[in-house]
Amino acid sequence: ETGVTQTPRHLVMGMTNKKSLKCEQHLGHNAMYWYKQSAKKPLELMFVYNFKEQTENNSVPSRFSPECPNSSHLFLHLHTLQPEDSALYLCASSQEAGGPINEQYFGPGTRLTVT
Amino acid sequence: GEDVEQSLFLSVREGDSSVINCTYTDSSSTYLYWYKQEPGAGLQLLTYIFSNMDMKQDQRLTVLLNKKDKHLSLRIADTQTGDSAIYFCAQANPPGGSYIPTFGRGTSLIVHP
Repeated sequence: ETGVTQTPRHLVMGMTNKKSLKCEQHLGHNAMYWYKQSAKKPLELMFVYNFKEQTENNSVPSRFSPECPNSSHLFLHLHTLQPEDSALYLCASSQEAGGPINEQYFGPGTRLTVT
Repeated sequence: GEDVEQSLFLSVREGDSSVINCTYTDSSSTYLYWYKQEPGAGLQLLTYIFSNMDMKQDQRLTVLLNKKDKHLSLRIADTQTGDSAIYFCAQANPPGGSYIPTFGRGTSLIVHP
């Protein structure tokens, strides 16, 4: 248990659906991240929030929409996804983005399948 | 090519040493990390090394850094079945560059009896 929880753990959705992924951290951290993990590809950074402000958007398509209402919660809203968006979506947190070590704590991920 | 490269698989016998290798392209990398991902879980930081070091040891783990060749390795002594996981190499280069680690594809370590 790393102190970062993600729900749901598994999600199957059609291309016309709208769904949201939720991440919550109980570590008192100020930075939160979304990553996409696809089979046999490097881990892809999607978004970074530092003190609730978005500081990185790594050229992510607009069908992925993040939301960070406070430093403990991070959402990823999904709509009109494509089958190639099927992947494991990982949330992470760290003390703050830009810290010297920037040790990241990861949640277990949401396994997303787009049909 | 990719910023961080690793071989995809490594198979070892229980009790042997495992050596997982990684190469990176950014010569200004200041922090190099090893993360472990167990089945059904997220990544967990195992250890890290600063670029001004060439070795770091932590119990069964030994990290070696060859800065000239931009090569990083993780040695696990007396490998156990519980060490079976995916191991990710990552690099970051604050303060001048990005503080956010860039990850490799991960090496799947399979430990068999």
